[in-house]
Amino acid sequence: QKEVEQDPGPLSVPEGAIVSLNCTYSNSAFQYFMWYRQYSRKGPELLMYTYSSGNKEDGRFTAQVDKSSKYISLFIRDSQPSDSATYLCAMGGEYGNKLVFGAGTILRVKS
Amino acid sequence: DSGVTQTPKHLITATGQRVTLRCSPRSGDLSVYWYQQSLDQGLQFLIQYYNGEERAKGNILERFSAQQFPDLHSELNLSSLELGDSALYFCASSPATSGNEQFFGPGTRLTVL
Repeated sequence: QKEVEQDPGPLSVPEGAIVSLNCTYSNSAFQYFMWYRQYSRKGPELLMYTYSSGNKEDGRFTAQVDKSSKYISLFIRDSQPSDSATYLCAMGGEYGNKLVFGAGTILRVKS
Repeated sequence: DSGVTQTPKHLITATGQRVTLRCSPRSGDLSVYWYQQSLDQGLQFLIQYYNGEERAKGNILERFSAQQFPDLHSELNLSSLELGDSALYFCASSPATSGNEQFFGPGTRLTVL
């Protein structure tokens, strides 16, 4: 079993929809959680960073962490075609600053 | 633009060869991380350096080595290359104080023929 599980998709939604992306994890030592967006053949771009449990909002993006369930989510409101990319969850805290990544979910927003 | 730079963008080489990938962190960041991204393994942590010292190590092969120089740039050396080493190699850096948010460079695409 992988430490971090993420549905690879693809997830296809119409423009303007609310998108929900999720990851589950097994290592209770993880303390901080991130979401990255990666366009094809580009470097991952940090979207959201959350320490421990709770919610964090930044513009159209909301990140949620539920440590009791070992479940994290990223919500994208009013999705745009430019949001089409691969979204990677990442988490760390167990060993130095090593990040463990999910496999990534491919999102396609259709206009 | 994250502020992390990597060179070269692309590298094509043959099996058995040795290559060096270079990374310059964001201004003020002391930590540098190296990751490998392949289709079957996803993004995998290789190694971290902090202010010139090795800080954490992942599943990095013995054929691979890295170092961080006094000016904080880092190099990843890959030797005795195999076809399976073909991948995207990313460097990331983190702020000196927070330490945990990692900002990624554009990557080096390595193709081993």
